[in-house]
Amino acid sequence: GENVEQHPSTLSVQEGDSAVIKCTYSDSASNYFPWYKQELGKGPQLIIDIRSNVGEKKDQRIAVTLNKTAKHFSLHITETQPEDSAVYFCAASIEAGNMLTFGGGTRLMVKP
Amino acid sequence: GAVVSQHPSRVICKSGTSVKIECRSLDFQATTMFWYRQFPKQSLMLMATSNEGSKATYEQGVEKDKFLINHASLTLSTLTVTSAHPEDSSFYICSASHRDRAFGTQYFGPGTRLLVL
Repeated sequence: GENVEQHPSTLSVQEGDSAVIKCTYSDSASNYFPWYKQELGKGPQLIIDIRSNVGEKKDQRIAVTLNKTAKHFSLHITETQPEDSAVYFCAASIEAGNMLTFGGGTRLMVKP
Repeated sequence: GAVVSQHPSRVICKSGTSVKIECRSLDFQATTMFWYRQFPKQSLMLMATSNEGSKATYEQGVEKDKFLINHASLTLSTLTVTSAHPEDSSFYICSASHRDRAFGTQYFGPGTRLLVL
C-alpha cells in the first residue's frame, strides 16, 4: 500500500519568513495530493491540492509543487503570519475522493 | 459549500457503555464517508470506509464488532463504539466525498473527542 513520509515534524519560523514542508510517497499510482491544516481540537481543513498532471499550483501565499518522477511534493507558505501556526498534513490517493494516506504531520509555529 | 458536521463534539462515558457519533454532509450528497481516529500529536489513522447502502470496509486491526458503522443515507453515517474502554479514548473524525467527482477530495468534520472513564 501507499506510504507517505513528511518532514520536518516541527518547524519554527519568524513572522514574514517562508516555510517549506516536504512529503514523499511510495505508490506511483497515486495521482492526487492534498494538503490539510489542522488547528488544535478541530478537524483538518483543505488548504490546497494538486493532481499529477500539474507540476505546481499557487493560491495567494500558498503553493504546492509536485515531482512525480521523484515521488515527492512540497508545500510552500510565504510571508508567514502567526495565524498560520497549526499542524499541516500532506496526503496521497489514487484520485480525489478516494482513500487518503496521510503523512505524519508538521507542527508549524510562526513567531511574531 | 461542502460542510460536514459531527455530533456530539465531545462525549464522556463510563467504561462498558456504547457511544454513537453522527457524521452528516450538510449541503451535498456523499457516496463515501471515512472514519478516522487521531491520538494526541499523531496523524490521522483510517479506521473504515463506508459506502451508502453497503457494509463498511475496515482497515487491518480495526475490530468491526467494536466499531459499528452504518451509512443509511447519502448524508448520514454513524460510528458506534460498543463497550467502550479507556483505551478507546481518542479524537474521532469523519470525512465525506462529494457524489459529484468534479468537486473532488474529502471534506472533514470538526471531530468528536471521546473520553472513556
